[in-house]
Amino acid sequence: KNQVEQSPQSLIILEGKNCTLQCNYTVSPFSNLRWYKQDTGRGPVSLTIMTFSENTKSNGRYTATLDADTKQSSLHITASQLSDSASYICVVLSGGSYIPTFGRGTSLIVHP
Amino acid sequence: DAGVIQSPRHEVTEMGQEVTLRCKPISGHDYLFWYRQTMMRGLELLIYFNNNVPIDDSGMPEDRFSAKMPNASFSTLKIQPSEPRDSAVYFCASSPTGHSTDTQYFGPGTRLTVL
Repeated sequence: KNQVEQSPQSLIILEGKNCTLQCNYTVSPFSNLRWYKQDTGRGPVSLTIMTFSENTKSNGRYTATLDADTKQSSLHITASQLSDSASYICVVLSGGSYIPTFGRGTSLIVHP
Repeated sequence: DAGVIQSPRHEVTEMGQEVTLRCKPISGHDYLFWYRQTMMRGLELLIYFNNNVPIDDSGMPEDRFSAKMPNASFSTLKIQPSEPRDSAVYFCASSPTGHSTDTQYFGPGTRLTVL
């Protein structure tokens, strides 16, 4: 069964600090892995999309990594801001289809 | 562009009533997706369309759920009859082409409460 596990479930950090969110998956065959940011009361917004051959992809202060051998991904947030407070969702798509497997998300709170 | 538009933003109804959720995708996007999000199950894909044609509806939970896309600028998700367990936030998303790495653009969602 395809699964995506995210950790930690929730995280509280101080403004300006860095943090790393983890995503482990058992989706096969693999097509691509996506990280979304979801603010409270809003729809998810795409941060990065990585295929099998990509190890790292950045979007501003967000950097995602992918290790296809160990089936792990991470999302690193640099110099956090209050606006980074949100849920971060990892999604893996199977090869040849649009059917996604979603993680349950990591809830990040950034305190001033 | 205004982005993906969904209506209504909030819907409260009683068990047994028919509910219709509406979505206008981004102009020029060929793919449209309907998702459901609950605390218990997280995000789930219900159905998606390509050029107005339903491609995969394996995520539709029951026959009470139906979705249509009569034209490229409009889609509906209907629940008849509604039940309390249908309470969730329903998102519509669209993407430009059929490439698997296309970005999907989500609407603001419709929060449905079935009493």
